[in-house]
This record gives sequence, C-alpha cells and structure tokens, in this order.
Amino acid sequence: KNEVEQSPQNLTAQEGEFITINCSYSVGISALHWLQQHPGGGIVSLFMLSSGKKKHGRLIATINIQEKHSSLHITASHPRDSAVYICAVRSEGNYQLIWGAGTKLIIKP
Amino acid sequence: KAGVTQTPRYLIKTRGQQVTLSCSPISGHRSVSWYQQTPGQGLQFLFEYFSETQRNKGNFPGRFSGRQFSNSRSEMNVSTLELGDSALYLCASSLNWRAEAFFGQGTRLTVV
Repeated sequence: KNEVEQSPQNLTAQEGEFITINCSYSVGISALHWLQQHPGGGIVSLFMLSSGKKKHGRLIATINIQEKHSSLHITASHPRDSAVYICAVRSEGNYQLIWGAGTKLIIKP
Repeated sequence: KAGVTQTPRYLIKTRGQQVTLSCSPISGHRSVSWYQQTPGQGLQFLFEYFSETQRNKGNFPGRFSGRQFSNSRSEMNVSTLELGDSALYLCASSLNWRAEAFFGQGTRLTVV
C-alpha cells in the first residue's frame, strides 16, 4: 500500500461543476502540499497545509490531521483547470516529500 | 523574484553517454531537491541538498549523483545513460527542508 493515496485517479467533469480530489496518507507528516502539473511538465505549488483550511481564488484545500486526510476543492470549474493534481506529504522524520500518484482532471466546456 | 530555473529544458542523449542538468533556485533558498518523473513510476525522489550538503538520497543507482554549490545552484549528473533514464527531471527549491517547495519547469531527457 502506498503511503500517499489519491482518489480518483481520473476525473472528467463539465465546466462549472464543483470538484473534489481526495488524499489519504499513512505516515506522520509535518505538512501536506497540493500541486498542479499541466501538460509540458512544470509543477506549480498550490497550497502547503499543516492544519485547517486554505483558500486561494476558486481553490480550497482542507486537512484533517487526526483522520490523515486532505481534500482539494475547485469551485466553478473551468477548462483551464484541466491538469494533474498531485498531493505530497512532507514526512515528519526526514522531511522528505512523499508523492501521491496524481489525479488527472479534465474539465469539458 | 525569479523562479526556479532548470537548464536545459530538453535534451537528447545516446545510451552510454553522461549528462549534467542544472538547477538555479529562487534567490535566498538554500534547499534544492531533485525528482524523476516517468509515466510508469510517477514522481520519485532523487536527492536533496541543503547548504552544499546532501541531506537525503532516494533509491537510485550510483550513476545518479548531484552536488550543490555555495550559491545554492545545484547540478545532477547521470553517467552511463540507459534507455530507462528517459524522464522529466524536476528540481524544487525551498528556504529549508521544512518550507514550501517551488518547482522548475523540468528538463526532459530522452535517451536513444
């Protein structure tokens, strides 16, 4: 079992829909990252969380430390949100980043 | 403030050759990490440097090596290239190993 599990693996939705991507982890962490990767490769850091909730524009990230679970929400989704969304946790011990497999999101107009 | 810069962006090499990739972190960042991304394996950690010292190393063969200079710029080297080394190599910089990581655009290496 992977230390960081994301679901779903693939998600296709219509423009305007509310999107939720989930991340569960099994290790002790100091922080959790949500990142976005567009075709072409570059990775953009969206959020770094250690507790509670963060919001940036239409993106909201939440984390429940007790349940070892985080969610990334996108409100009023748009085709430009189409990308791979990756959850990564920074482990408590050596602070190394442990990566989820990513969720490929496609938003259709 | 300039972001993380990786050079070159694209590279084609033949089997058996060696390659050096470069990463210039955000000004003031002292931690640089390297990752390999392949379609089959996803993102895998290569190594992390902080203030010219290797802090962590992933599970890669000795053909993969790296270093960090006093200005925090980092290089990674892959010797005796194999077809399976074809991948996107990503570099991330952060203030230190606990802080938020910022990524470069990556170097896409193709080994033929």
